[in-house]
Amino acid sequence: SQTIHQWPATLVQPVGSPLSLECTVEGTSNPNLYWYRQAAGRGLQLLFYSVGIGQISSEVPQNLSASRPQDRQFILSSKKLLLSDSGFYLCAWSDSGVETQYFGPGTRLLVL
Amino acid sequence: KNQVEQSPQSLIILEGKNCTLQCNYTVSPFSNLRWYKQDTGRGPVSLTIMTFSENTKSNGRYTATLDADTKQSSLHITASQLSDSASYICVVIHSGGYNKLIFGAGTRLAVHP
Repeated sequence: SQTIHQWPATLVQPVGSPLSLECTVEGTSNPNLYWYRQAAGRGLQLLFYSVGIGQISSEVPQNLSASRPQDRQFILSSKKLLLSDSGFYLCAWSDSGVETQYFGPGTRLLVL
Repeated sequence: KNQVEQSPQSLIILEGKNCTLQCNYTVSPFSNLRWYKQDTGRGPVSLTIMTFSENTKSNGRYTATLDADTKQSSLHITASQLSDSASYICVVIHSGGYNKLIFGAGTRLAVHP
């Protein structure tokens, strides 16, 4: 069966520090991968999606970047965090061409 | 503009009671609609999936309805349990290119004993 992992579960970082959140998927090959951010009281906002290694599409301009160094690994990064980067970050995967997305447990980021 | 609006924003019910959550959307073209359950601090988990040709779909005590003409959906929870306390998110799939999900802000349900 397929599983999706995210770490860390929670993170507290100072403004201006770098960020690296990791997401890995097991039990499937060539998945579509997604990064979402969920702000309190708001719907999930798609940040990045990837249909293959090295292929990243950005949905909204922001202080973040994403990379996919391996087929089942998706990394969300920032060189300098802003206060507005605080939120709940969710990674998701789907089979290529299939619309059902499966979400990871999420990372709660607090920027102080 | 493609949007999904949910109501109420929050709801408190007593254990054993029924409740109905509402979802209105303006997404077009529309592929299908899903309801997700999200426990606090966890990722969303899919409850139901309906295409535009389906009117109702059940998953245990959860029943979702869809009216594609009025662009409205509802999620009915029967005989609520304490474990039903969570956020319920309506998600509409925008069928344009890749599978773009449009998320509602969710309804936060609290079931009290």
